[in-house]
Amino acid sequence: DARVTQTPRHKVTEMGQEVTMRCQPILGHNTVFWYRQTMMQGLELLAYFRNRAPLDDSGMPKDRFSAEMPDATLATLKIQPSEPRDSAVYFCASGPTGLSVADTQYFGPGTRLTVL
Amino acid sequence: KQEVTQIPAALSVPEGENLVLNCSFTDSAIYNLQWFRQDPGKGLTSLLLIQSSQREQTSGRLNASLDKSSGRSTLYIAASQPGDSATYLCAVGGSNDYKLSFGAGTTVTVRA
Repeated sequence: DARVTQTPRHKVTEMGQEVTMRCQPILGHNTVFWYRQTMMQGLELLAYFRNRAPLDDSGMPKDRFSAEMPDATLATLKIQPSEPRDSAVYFCASGPTGLSVADTQYFGPGTRLTVL
Repeated sequence: KQEVTQIPAALSVPEGENLVLNCSFTDSAIYNLQWFRQDPGKGLTSLLLIQSSQREQTSGRLNASLDKSSGRSTLYIAASQPGDSATYLCAVGGSNDYKLSFGAGTTVTVRA
C-alpha cells in the first residue's frame, strides 16, 4: 500500500531553533507539494517540485523557509530560525505527473509543529 | 487569485439523512476540482476528482457535480453514517499552473 510518509509526526521546539521536516513521496511520483494548515489560514501551498526541480515557492517566507529535494525519495522543508507563528501542521503531498487533469494528490499524515 | 468558499462551515445531521456540501470558486478557468476528506489529526484523502470537461463524478454513496460557468460544485452524500463524520475540503486546480486552491472546509457530524 503506497503512501507518503513524513517525519517527525510531532515537533516541539524553542523559538530561534532550526526545524527540519522530511517527506518520502510515493515511489514513481514526479511532483511533490508542501502545505501548511492553520485554523486561521486553512491549507496554504508553500512550495512544489516537479522532477525534483522547484517550480513555485511563492507561498513560502523566503527569509526563513527553504525546501529541497536532494533525491527522488526525499523532500525536506527547513525553518531557520523558527518563530511561534510557524506553529502549524505541515503536509507533504505527491502526485503522478502534475500535468494531467486526472491527477490527484496523495497526502502524508503531516508534521505538527509547535514553536514555543 | 482563485478564491474558494465552502458553505456551510459546519453541519450536524442525524444518521440516514442526505448531506449536501457546497463549494464556490471565483475563477472558472480550472482544469479540475477535487473533494477531499480529512479526519482529525490526519492527512487528506481524495474522494472524487472532476475534470474540467466533466459535469459530475460518482463513487458509491458520493456524488459530486461541477458547474464551471457559475463557479460551483456540490458534494452529495447519500444516507449518511456516523463514519462520514469528518471535514470535507474542496480544491480547485488552476489551468495555468496546476496548483490546488483549497476551501476552508465543511465539518460534518453525523449523529447516531
